[in-house]
Amino acid sequence: GESVGLHLPTLSVQEGDNSIINCAYSNSASDYFIWYKQESGKGPQFIIDIRSNMDKRQGQRVTVLLNKTVKHLSLQIAATQPGDSAVYFCADSGGYQKVTFGTGTKLQVIP
Amino acid sequence: SQTIHQWPATLVQPVGSPLSLECTVEGTSNPNLYWYRQAAGRGLQLLFYSVGIGQISSEVPQNLSASRPQDRQFILSSKKLLLSDSGFYLCAWTAVSAYGYTFGSGTRLTVV
Repeated sequence: GESVGLHLPTLSVQEGDNSIINCAYSNSASDYFIWYKQESGKGPQFIIDIRSNMDKRQGQRVTVLLNKTVKHLSLQIAATQPGDSAVYFCADSGGYQKVTFGTGTKLQVIP
Repeated sequence: SQTIHQWPATLVQPVGSPLSLECTVEGTSNPNLYWYRQAAGRGLQLLFYSVGIGQISSEVPQNLSASRPQDRQFILSSKKLLLSDSGFYLCAWTAVSAYGYTFGSGTRLTVV
């Protein structure tokens, strides 16, 4: 669910290493999950999504893993680059009208 | 292709002044529209959403209101701004039968 009052956790990763950003969701009825990337001063942008009938989906340098048993979602970024520095939000939806966003994680890439 | 426009990009307003932020979507019809607020270093807070003209659902009681006078236009308003209204305001849309949002570029509001 929403955690809008909390400070964002930060993940620091060396350039070239892989990043793993984790997210827990609470709604067992959620059947669609999305990862967004938000760069400073900009709106969130879609990265990758996954439906509940899948447990893994790959994109370009990104992989999303879904574990419905423990209601856990992760985003893996391969060979992290400075341009990957941003805040990453997971979101889940049990219907098209409302999407619930996670707290967000700030990814800092160390050159 | 569909695009979403949000303006202004930045706004500095005195306490007690009115507010009007506008969001329009192009290239689609009957979108679901949303207003979110994001405080500095925080997550996204859903303020309002609309599934049709004149249909507004409010998620949190506050100093703000929303209106949808046209199918692809969503307006966020306030009669008297408070200091606590400062933040980054994001408009988003999704198609009726689709999932996931497309966000606008945001408005940075500073109430002084």
